[in-house]
Amino acid sequence: EAGVTQFPSHSVIEKGQTVTLRCDPISGHDNLYWYRRVMGKEIKFLLHFVKESKQDESGMPNNRFLAERTGGTYSTLKVQPAELEDSGVYFCASSQATGVGELFFGEGSRLTVL
Amino acid sequence: QQQVKQSPQSLIVQKGGISIINCAYENTAFDYFPWYQQFPGKGPALLIAIRPDVSEKKEGRFTISFNKSAKQFSLHIMDSQPGDSATYFCAASREGGTSYGKLTFGQGTILTVHP
Repeated sequence: EAGVTQFPSHSVIEKGQTVTLRCDPISGHDNLYWYRRVMGKEIKFLLHFVKESKQDESGMPNNRFLAERTGGTYSTLKVQPAELEDSGVYFCASSQATGVGELFFGEGSRLTVL
Repeated sequence: QQQVKQSPQSLIVQKGGISIINCAYENTAFDYFPWYQQFPGKGPALLIAIRPDVSEKKEGRFTISFNKSAKQFSLHIMDSQPGDSATYFCAASREGGTSYGKLTFGQGTILTVHP
């Protein structure tokens, strides 16, 4: 069974540009999470989808970040326009049931904003 | 405000030794405490988890000790091996309902086990 896959693995962009990160959760997992780790800091929660609905987006830094999960399958996280402080590793995780069970993380998308 | 504080930031242990990583939390509503292990280039993977109804949980060489009154929990790796070299994250959340997957992580500990 395929795990959580993320694309791209690494993206380097200039300040002010747009980047879209994609996450494909494990098939059948209704819950999808986005997390971010800024250099040397803790991994921080960004938001949580249950199927196609945003359950909790309290961790989204600001309105330059837009997450979607059309059809309840894969998800995208768009940063527009990117700022220097957006650099970090963006992790996606999925789980089967809400409220219980293991979160499975992808390998992350490293974003570098120059 | 960091709600889960993890120490040390880095740890070097000789093969066969005991690795100990400590975490302290502030939110008394937390009732699920997992540890994640991350190898370079990979995502975090669940290693072991504990709930506050027990004070200790052991899985192989890995043990979590939990002190509810002190709001602290720790990971002990017995007989540490070079293959255990990785970054370890403690985390906490509220089990059940929609907050379960909203993990609050510690800053991570880079463990190096020398042969």
